[in-house]
Amino acid sequence: GIQVEQSPPDLILQEGANSTLRCNFSDSVNNLQWFHQNPWGQLINLFYIPSGTKQNGRLSATTVATERYSLLYISSSQTTDSGVYFCAASNNYGQNFVFGPGTRLSVLP
Amino acid sequence: EAGVTQFPSHSVIEKGQTVTLRCDPISGHDNLYWYRRVMGKEIKFLLHFVKESKQDESGMPNNRFLAERTGGTYSTLKVQPAELEDSGVYFCASSQDLGGTGKQFFGPGTRLTVL
Repeated sequence: GIQVEQSPPDLILQEGANSTLRCNFSDSVNNLQWFHQNPWGQLINLFYIPSGTKQNGRLSATTVATERYSLLYISSSQTTDSGVYFCAASNNYGQNFVFGPGTRLSVLP
Repeated sequence: EAGVTQFPSHSVIEKGQTVTLRCDPISGHDNLYWYRRVMGKEIKFLLHFVKESKQDESGMPNNRFLAERTGGTYSTLKVQPAELEDSGVYFCASSQDLGGTGKQFFGPGTRLTVL
């Protein structure tokens, strides 16, 4: 089955800094999502982005399906951005999403 | 609009007992999914309902787990009998599109502890 990797595993930033999180997947995908798990454990869907680029406020994501990776950009980071960011990919329309191990982000005041 | 809700938020049971977890998807979402994250491991897919039908149950670990979605609304996940390795967080998610595309919205999860 599809394998999903994320890097870096941990990231510490000062408030206001920018960052890029990466997601690599081992096979072609037709669905990809980015999630933020907040400190209370809630998974928040940030982007549904099987290809192309999307932006939502300070966050943007780009998926290059032909090269099997996706990037999540966080600009002007805030302490509320802290948490774990997961990438999840699927290569079947049955939506069996495979999650990556996550990137743990800590934004310091 | 209410999000995906799950009950209970926490459950502590002894090995061998039975536990039933409930998920209420977002109203109108035909697709419902169960995932779980056991300690130290990644979030794993368990199964996918389209309305009341099981579309994909390839992630169900064994026959101690039974998921139902009667009437295509809420879903239950029963673990009987529970084992120590079943401890973890069980997430439910729903999405709107019948074809399975589109964003998945997750519930807050049920933290299950088996002693």
